[in-house]
Formats: sequence, C-alpha cells, structure tokens
Amino acid sequence: NAGVMQNPRHLVRRRGQEARLRCSPMKGHSHVYWYRQLPEEGLKFMVYLQKENIIDESGMPKERFSAEFPKEGPSILRIQQVVRGDSAAYFCASSPPTGGWSGANVLTFGAGSRLTVL
Amino acid sequence: AQTVTQSQPEMSVQEAETVTLSCTYDTSENNYYLFWYKQPPSRQMILVIRQEAYKQQNATENRFSVNFQKAAKSFSLKISDSQLGDTAMYFCAFMKHPGNQFYFGTGTSLTVIP
Repeated sequence: NAGVMQNPRHLVRRRGQEARLRCSPMKGHSHVYWYRQLPEEGLKFMVYLQKENIIDESGMPKERFSAEFPKEGPSILRIQQVVRGDSAAYFCASSPPTGGWSGANVLTFGAGSRLTVL
Repeated sequence: AQTVTQSQPEMSVQEAETVTLSCTYDTSENNYYLFWYKQPPSRQMILVIRQEAYKQQNATENRFSVNFQKAAKSFSLKISDSQLGDTAMYFCAFMKHPGNQFYFGTGTSLTVIP
C-alpha cells in the first residue's frame, strides 16, 4: 500500500505560467482533499472531491484555481497564471467512503507539493 | 462555522519530560471528531491521535494522550517521555460528523531538547 502519492514534490514556475499538481489516493480511498499551507500557517481547506464529482470547493479561490478527480487517473489541482502569492505547500489527503463512526473518516496525507513562483 | 485555536505557537520540552499542547475549538455541532496531526521537518502529515466527541473516555496512543473537555470545547495533547523524534509542528483538527471537511488550527511548533 503506497499511501497517498503526490507529484511533483517541488515545482518552480514563473509568474503567469500554469502549475499542475497530481495526487493519487491510497488504494481503496475514494475521497480526495486538497489543502494549502502557507509559510508559518496551518492547513487551509481548498476542495473535496470524489470520482468525477466536486463535493465542496468552498475553499478554492474563485479564479485561476481548479481541481478534478477523473474516473481514471490521479486528482489534479491546476493553477493558471500563477502569482507569487500562490507559493505554498499543497497537500493532498484521501479517506475511505464515509459512513458511521467506524473511524473511516481519518485523513491520510501525502508528502505535499511545494510550489515556488519566481 | 467551525474554528480551531492553538494559542501556543512554540513550545519546548526536555527529553524524557512531559508536555501538554493546548487546543480549543468552537462549534455548534454535537457530533464530531477531533484529531492531532504531527508534521515533522519532512513535512509529512502524520495522524497522532483521534477522539470521537460522543466518547467520554480520553483517547490514548502509547505516549500520547488527550484531555477532551467537551463542555469547555478543549482538546489538549499530552506527550509523555518526550523523545527527540517528537520535534515537529502539531496541528489540532476538527471534523463534524457526518462530513468530510477538516478544520485545522495554526499549529504549535514543539522542540524536544536533548
């Protein structure tokens, strides 16, 4: 069980370019979450997805940011026309399907993708 | 809306000693989970301990235990016999049930001193 896999671990982009961050959830997990961690801050929720569905995107900036979790393949967080303020660590987490108090709602995190915008 | 507050940005403890990290939260929900996650210098987020709000008994995991005070909305983490490997950022987190969105505090940076 490889855990939650994120790539790339480090990504450098110039202002105006696009950044694509990928996340493969743990085997058996059907829920994916993206969090952003700015320097010296905690994790801020961005978006929660299930396969082919965005369940909650209340934490996503209205412009330039989008996320998807296709039927096949990893979840992708896409940032268009990056700006310096987008520099952060982006963490993906996954969990099994919800239901009951079985403890299934524990998040398993990936190692994060660090985006640096020059 | 749910908020999670960690009022101690930094703490230190001598190796083998005990330290308590504070966390308070604000919610109108009755059913929820509370978590402590650890983020070492590798930046990997690691689950330390979990508490279901309906359980009165405090959760324990080896050297880690919590003091859950539901009425006070307090959820502190106690680390006993601190080890150098405990040096990390510690995040308190809340998740309502049912639901999937986690709310994190701003973290406490813990340094274990040899």
